[in-house]
Amino acid sequence: DAGVTQSPTHLIKTRGQQVTLRCSPISGHKSVSWYQQVLGQGPQFIFQYYEKEERGRGNFPDRFSARQFPNYSSELNVNALLLGDSALYLCASSPLTGGYNEQFFGPGTRLTVL
Amino acid sequence: AQRVTQPEKLLSVFKGAPVELKCNYSYSGSPELFWYVQYSRQRLQLLLRHISRESIKGFTADLNKGETSFHLKKPFAQEEDSAMYYCALSGPGGYQKVTFGIGTKLQVIP
Repeated sequence: DAGVTQSPTHLIKTRGQQVTLRCSPISGHKSVSWYQQVLGQGPQFIFQYYEKEERGRGNFPDRFSARQFPNYSSELNVNALLLGDSALYLCASSPLTGGYNEQFFGPGTRLTVL
Repeated sequence: AQRVTQPEKLLSVFKGAPVELKCNYSYSGSPELFWYVQYSRQRLQLLLRHISRESIKGFTADLNKGETSFHLKKPFAQEEDSAMYYCALSGPGGYQKVTFGIGTKLQVIP
């Protein structure tokens, strides 16, 4: 297993545009979470999905949305991009076995908004 | 509200010296605590979790509920320990948001 994969690796957009980021979890993991990491900060929780349902949402505006597909892959969408959305977007999957919320991270997508 | 505080952004120690990375948390209830590590040019990965009470790569962390702390310790630092370390907290049960601290960069000086 290649672990959690994310695409694209890098992305450059301009203000006002929309972006879609993609994530494939580790095989057998049914939970996917999204995080935003700005330079010098720890990852900030955006969403958690489990079995295609949103299970948790962080303190982000409605411009941020996500979904999970039947194969447990996930997309994060951000509309009306702002300069402040420039960050590394991390996806993490979790087996949630035994109720433990261990996160397995992907390499991230670096989003630059000009 | 749940919060994780890592007071040091950078910690420099000499090889062979003891290491203690500090983490304090705020949570109403019984949280799950984790330490994640990110080595240079690698992805973020779990180092250890309090529920396992294990030692990984010589690191241990004890949950102190009275002081709401989960400090990471290692008796003798190695050069390969140089990395970013993040303390993280989650509510119990799995379907909970995970809150990360700001991270501490550990620099082990040869």
